[in-house]
Amino acid sequence: GDSVTQMEGPVTLSEEAFLTINCTYTATGYPSLFWYVQYPGEGLQLLLKATKADDKGSNKGFEATYRKETTSFHLEKGSVQVSDSAVYFCALASNSNSGYALNFGKGTSLLVTP
Amino acid sequence: KAGVTQTPRYLIKTRGQQVTLSCSPISGHRSVSWYQQTPGQGLQFLFEYFSETQRNKGNFPGRFSGRQFSNSRSEMNVSTLELGDSALYLCASRVGTSGGYTDTQYFGPGTRLTVL
Repeated sequence: GDSVTQMEGPVTLSEEAFLTINCTYTATGYPSLFWYVQYPGEGLQLLLKATKADDKGSNKGFEATYRKETTSFHLEKGSVQVSDSAVYFCALASNSNSGYALNFGKGTSLLVTP
Repeated sequence: KAGVTQTPRYLIKTRGQQVTLSCSPISGHRSVSWYQQTPGQGLQFLFEYFSETQRNKGNFPGRFSGRQFSNSRSEMNVSTLELGDSALYLCASRVGTSGGYTDTQYFGPGTRLTVL
């Protein structure tokens, strides 16, 4: 079945450091890929998405490219801020006859220190 | 446009009781899904409703059930609560386009259920 694997956290970075959170997936067909972010005490917010190979999703300085050859969708940001501290989830949605469901990775906790 | 809303935000129940959670999707969205989030299991899909019909179901026991009304609002019910049902329950809605898998799901703030 479909699955998502993302790097374990927590990840601790200093402000203005470069961020990479790795995400790889296993899926039949051609899934859509998503990054969601969850701040303490809140639900999930969509950060970015990509729906086909070589698409790049971007938002708020975050980027991720859909790499079909390596089945990856790594999240990057050039310069993190304290306000980026949150839990980040990689997810996929596949074109299944049984309907729509997001399949999530375990989440990566990010702490950015001043 | 208002986002996904969930009520109540917090709930405390005891083992053996039942509970009903409510979700109002974004206006115009026809699909509502429910997810359970726990520290141990992470985010797990419960079920999806589309136009009042259950379209997809995750691997949860029959104690977990749901329904969707004609205005797309949805409720989720858990009967005979167990300690392990303590979790954050998240509702999400999407437009529900044909094919669907390129849709984005938008999440509500969740209902925090504690079972004592």
